[in-house]
Parts: sequence; structure tokens; C-alpha cells
Amino acid sequence: DAGVIQSPRHEVTEMGQEVTLRCKPISGHNSLFWYRQTMMRGLELLIYFNNNVPIDDSGMPEDRFSAKMPNASFSTLKIQPSEPRDSAVYFCASSERLAGASSYGQYFGPGTRLTVT
Amino acid sequence: GENVEQHPSTLSVQEGDSAVIKCTYSDSASNYFPWYKQELGKRPQLIIDIRSNVGEKKDQRIAVTLNKTAKHFSLHITETQPEDSAVYFCAAREAPAINTGTASKLTFGTGTRLQVTL
Repeated sequence: DAGVIQSPRHEVTEMGQEVTLRCKPISGHNSLFWYRQTMMRGLELLIYFNNNVPIDDSGMPEDRFSAKMPNASFSTLKIQPSEPRDSAVYFCASSERLAGASSYGQYFGPGTRLTVT
Repeated sequence: GENVEQHPSTLSVQEGDSAVIKCTYSDSASNYFPWYKQELGKRPQLIIDIRSNVGEKKDQRIAVTLNKTAKHFSLHITETQPEDSAVYFCAAREAPAINTGTASKLTFGTGTRLQVTL
């Protein structure tokens, strides 16, 4: 199993540009989570999906952020327009169905380090 | 919503000693408590977890205990080694409002930076 895959691993962009982060969850997992991590704010949940449907987006900081999950194997997090304060590491995580699952654990991807100048 | 507090924020132990990290949670309905280890520049990795119907779980040198009445849980690392140095996060999973068979979110603690010195 390749685990959760994220791309790009590093992104440097100028303020005002659109940024798209991508995630492929572990095959068979039906829940997907987007997190942001900074030194100041720690690990923050932005949004999560169950069966490709957004369940809770209360962590999305503002309308500049949007996330989609068009199918069970792909999700995107988009920031438009980007700002320097968006600089952070963005993690995607996935977990399997709870019913009958051996673990409720979330498994993280390697993250995308975003720098907005 | 759930609130998770984690202590201490930093912990330094000598190699071979034990380390204990403690967390408290606020929502008595939370039913799953994982621990993550994050090395510098890496992703958080699940190292052990416990469900609310279990009081203790052990995996080699690491163990987790849960006190539902007091709403606190702890991570114990014995015979610490330099490679245990990392930031450790506890988390609590909110129970879904209904049994939908799907995931609900984790609320993370603020992390403990563990340094194991030689």
C-alpha cells in the first residue's frame, strides 16, 4: 500500500496566485481530512469528507479556501487568492469505515509545504 | 465541541528512563483516543490508540491508559531511546451523532516535544 499521497511536496508562490493541493487517500478508505499545521496554531482541521461528501468545513479559514472530492480516490484543496499568512504545511489524512473497522485511525500523507511570498 | 489539553509541552529525559505524557478531554461522549508521533519535517504517525471500552493497551515499550471517569488518558514510554525524540500529539475522537458507520473528526492536543538525551 502506497499510503496517502500528496502533491506537490513543496510549493512556493507569490501572493495573489491560485494554489491547488492534491491528495489521494489510501485505497478503501472512505473518509478524508485536510489539516493545516503551523508553529503558532498547531494542527488544525480544515475540512473532512465522508464518502466524498463534505461533512464539516467549519475549520476553513475563509472563502479563499475551497475543497472538493470528486471521487473516492482524489481530493483537492484550493486557495485563491493566496496570502503570506497561508504559509504552512498542509496534510491530508484518510481513515477507513468505522463499521467493523479494526481501527479508527487516521493516516497522514507526507504533507505539502506551502510558502506564499 | 471537544477540547483536548496536553501536558507537558516539553519533556526531557535521559536515555533508558521513562516518559509520561498526559491529556484531558472535555466531551464524555468521545470514544477513541489515538497518539501520534511527529519527527522533525515528517508527517504525524499513529503509534498507538485506545477505545473507550478499554482501560489500558500496550505495544512493546509504549502503553496508553484511559480513565473515562476523570476524562484523561496518558502515554507511557519505557526504556526511552534517542529515536523516541519527537513531538507527540494526543487526540480524541468525537462520537458521531448517529451511528452512520463513517468517521468523525479528531481533536488534537497541542503536542509534547520529547527530548531523549544520552
